[in-house]
Amino acid sequence: DIQMTQSPSTLSASVGDRVTITCRASQSIGTWLAWYQQKPGKAPNLLIYKASNLENGVSSRFSGSGSGTEFTLTISSLQPDDFATYYCQQYNTYWTFGQGTKLEIK
Amino acid sequence: QVQLVQSGAEVKKPGASVRVSCKASGYTFTDHYIHWVRQAPGQGLEWMGWISPNSGGTNYVEKFHGWVTITRDTSISTAYLELNRLRFDDTAFYYCARSRERIGDAFDIWGQGTLVTVSS
Repeated sequence: DIQMTQSPSTLSASVGDRVTITCRASQSIGTWLAWYQQKPGKAPNLLIYKASNLENGVSSRFSGSGSGTEFTLTISSLQPDDFATYYCQQYNTYWTFGQGTKLEIK
Repeated sequence: QVQLVQSGAEVKKPGASVRVSCKASGYTFTDHYIHWVRQAPGQGLEWMGWISPNSGGTNYVEKFHGWVTITRDTSISTAYLELNRLRFDDTAFYYCARSRERIGDAFDIWGQGTLVTVSS
């Protein structure tokens, strides 16, 4: 099984900050990686697919990069609506999610 | 509007079974695989399995083999998740989600989630 490890688990930041979340795969997954945002009581929402492709309707403040085993999600200028939990997901071999990164207001 | 709408919350006793539905609208149901994802309260996301609405073929995570069944009814564009022999630790939100374009793809549309509570 492919394991996905996100860091940090919790991130405190302020509106306007630039933040980066890292996701590491236990083996190479090419660019078969997605990022999701989840708010309390809601379903996850797809932000990025195939490591760096922005889903339709998602703000360009979100960007993704990486390949192989290391990936990043960057939010260029945090807005109040961005404080949520973020998950990476590999879909190279079946589907596995990272444990999540909770983005909190500092 | 493309959407997946799930059935309402359920409360079941240990050992019982439950079936959660996921109705698709706004797109051709048979064009996209449907997945089911579990999230225990306060925990992360866990992929459970998928169904091909076109063929009815399924695939499950090994740990769910034998007590989870995913089916579909193409006449009403609905997928189902059946959980058998429920245990207390099956208490969770269960989400259906659609594969973007192909079987091995990200999930672009999600249902709103169904809370299944197992309680005596």
